[in-house]
Amino acid sequence: DIQMTQSPSSLSASVGDRVTITCRASRSVNTYLSWYQQKPGKAPKLLIYAVSSLESGVPSRFSGSGYGTDFTLTITNLQPEDFATYYCQQSFSPPQTFGQGTKVEIK
Amino acid sequence: QMQLVQSGAEVKKPGSSVKVSCKASGGTFNNYAIGWVRQAPGQGLEWMGGILPIFGTKNYAQKFRGRVAITADESTSTAYMELSSLRSDDTGVYFCATGPAGGDTALALSYYFESWGQGTQVTVSS
Repeated sequence: DIQMTQSPSSLSASVGDRVTITCRASRSVNTYLSWYQQKPGKAPKLLIYAVSSLESGVPSRFSGSGYGTDFTLTITNLQPEDFATYYCQQSFSPPQTFGQGTKVEIK
Repeated sequence: QMQLVQSGAEVKKPGSSVKVSCKASGGTFNNYAIGWVRQAPGQGLEWMGGILPIFGTKNYAQKFRGRVAITADESTSTAYMELSSLRSDDTGVYFCATGPAGGDTALALSYYFESWGQGTQVTVSS
């Protein structure tokens, strides 16, 4: 199985901050990497697919980058509605593993 | 994007089985791969398996192989996930999700999950 490791596991930030979350795969996943946002009691929401493609309707302050084993989700100008948990997921090889999540909290 | 509506919460005894449904609307069911994802209380997301209805291919995570069965009824655009031999650590929220198929269609993987059901709470307790 491909292991996905996110860092940090949690972070505190203020509205307006720039936040970066990293996701490392135990072996290459090519560009089969997506990012999800989840709020308590809700289903995950797709933010970014294929490393850097922004899902329709997702604000442009979200962006993704990387290739192979190292990926980054960046949120610029953090907004109150962005406080949530973020997960990366690889779909290169089964099982489609998720990272353990990064909780973004209000400072 | 498709809309997915899942069946309601379930309370089950250890050793029994649960079958969760996921009805799709607003899209062509067969053009998508469907996955099932579990979330234990306070924990992260765990992919259980997937199905590609147009080819009938399925794939299960090793952890659940032998206990899980994922099926799809094209006539009603409904997918099902049945988990047997339930244990207390199967308690959690079960999500269905859909997206375009990615890679080898024999693997029944979704390139990404663009639509999600609302989740079904399954509680396993004696």
